[in-house]
Amino acid sequence: QVQLKESGPGLVQPSQTLSLTCTVSGFSLTSNSVHWVRQPPGKGLEWVGAIWSGGSTDYNSALKSRLSISRDTSKSQVFLKMNSLQTEDTAIYFCTRSGGDWGQGVMVTVSS
Amino acid sequence: DVVMTQTPVSLSVSLGGQTSISCRSSQSLVHSDGNTYLYWYLQKPGQSPQLLIYKVSNRFSGVPDRFSGSGSGTDFTLKISRVEPEDLGVYYCYQGTHYPFTFGSGTKLEIK
Repeated sequence: QVQLKESGPGLVQPSQTLSLTCTVSGFSLTSNSVHWVRQPPGKGLEWVGAIWSGGSTDYNSALKSRLSISRDTSKSQVFLKMNSLQTEDTAIYFCTRSGGDWGQGVMVTVSS
Repeated sequence: DVVMTQTPVSLSVSLGGQTSISCRSSQSLVHSDGNTYLYWYLQKPGQSPQLLIYKVSNRFSGVPDRFSGSGSGTDFTLKISRVEPEDLGVYYCYQGTHYPFTFGSGTKLEIK
C-alpha cells in the first residue's frame, strides 16, 4: 500500500528556513519521482519541485534560488528545504508520488 | 510559464446530470517524447487532490468511467456524467510537459 506522510514545523518565523520531510512506504524512491506541491489557504495549487527516480531535481523557477530538494533512499525520505521564508510561503505543503498518490499535507505558517 | 486557463470558474449540476470543464494551455502540451502530460485532479473539501485522468484521457486506478478526458495540443476537456454527491469539490487541470509544471486555477463543482 502506497503511503506518503509530510512532517515538519507548523510555524516558521519570517526569513528563517523551512525543513519538511516526506516519508514514503509501499514504493521505491529509486523507481519513482516525488513532487512537492503547495496550496496557500483558500487558493489553488502550485508545483514547487521534484526529485526524479535517478536523483536529479527540478524546481519552480520562482522558488529556485531558495529551494532544495533531496532524499535518503535508505530511509525512504524526501526532504524540502526553503530559505528566506516570507508570509507568502504560508501554505499546505503536499508531497506526491508522480502526481498519483498524495500525502495528507502539512500546514506551514510563516509568522513572527 | 505555461498558463492553464480553466472554464467555468464554478458550475452547479443536478444529481445524475452531465457536465464538462474546459482547460486551455498557452502552449502546446505535446512533449518532445510524443506524450501529452495533461492531468485532471479533484480536490474534495478538506482533502488532498486526487488524480482522475493522466495523459489526457487515461483514467487513474479506481476512477469510475463516469469521468472521461479528451483533447489535444492546447485544448482539453473533462466530462463528468451521471454526477454523484461525492463528485463535489474543485477540479484542476495540470500540465507536466513544460517547466515549471503548472495548474489551472480550478473549477468548483456544486451539486444542485
